[in-house]
Amino acid sequence: NAGVTQTPKFRILKIGQSMTLQCTQDMNHNYMYWYRQDPGMGLKLIYYSVGAGITDKGEVPNGYNVSRSTTEDFPLRLELAAPSQTSVYFCASSYPTGGKETQYFGPGTRLLVL
Amino acid sequence: DAKTTQPTSMDCAEGRAANLPCNHSTISGNEYVYWYRQIHSQGPQYIIHGLKNNETNEMASLIITEDRKSSTLILPHATLRDTAVYYCIVRVPGGTSYGKLTFGQGTILTVHP
Repeated sequence: NAGVTQTPKFRILKIGQSMTLQCTQDMNHNYMYWYRQDPGMGLKLIYYSVGAGITDKGEVPNGYNVSRSTTEDFPLRLELAAPSQTSVYFCASSYPTGGKETQYFGPGTRLLVL
Repeated sequence: DAKTTQPTSMDCAEGRAANLPCNHSTISGNEYVYWYRQIHSQGPQYIIHGLKNNETNEMASLIITEDRKSSTLILPHATLRDTAVYYCIVRVPGGTSYGKLTFGQGTILTVHP
């Protein structure tokens, strides 16, 4: 299993440009998440999905959109990039059972908006 | 989800045990304690979790006090590769917030030779 994969690894955007961060998992997990991590800070949840066709906002959703058409893929869309979106973006997935909710994280996408 | 308090940073000598504390005095009866770590520039990695009893796996041990208001993550023989930020997270699995982890500032553990 490749686990959780993210592309691209690094991207520079100009203000106002758009892009999609890709996330794919091959573990058949129903839950998927997008987090952002600003320098020196903890992770903040942007959006999450509990299954194909179902998404919901996290604590910092403004400026982002997501879709979940398949179990495997959970892309994150930035429509009008702003300098405040400069961050490292992590995708994660899990298959919660009972008390265990282990989340598996991807390697991250580093985004710089200039 | 209950709030957690962790020291900002800790040091440990290689080969010694690293004991990372976490206070969660407002924890409720059905909330679990989870530990993750994040090695520089990588995605967070699950370490261990528990409800009431002490737990051990191949990576670490988790000691939860009897009143469940605090816990300690123990890395029995720390190596340089254990240098990372360690996050203590307390939450209820299931319900409308199922799966959503709230990461605080964590503890920066530095293992030195």
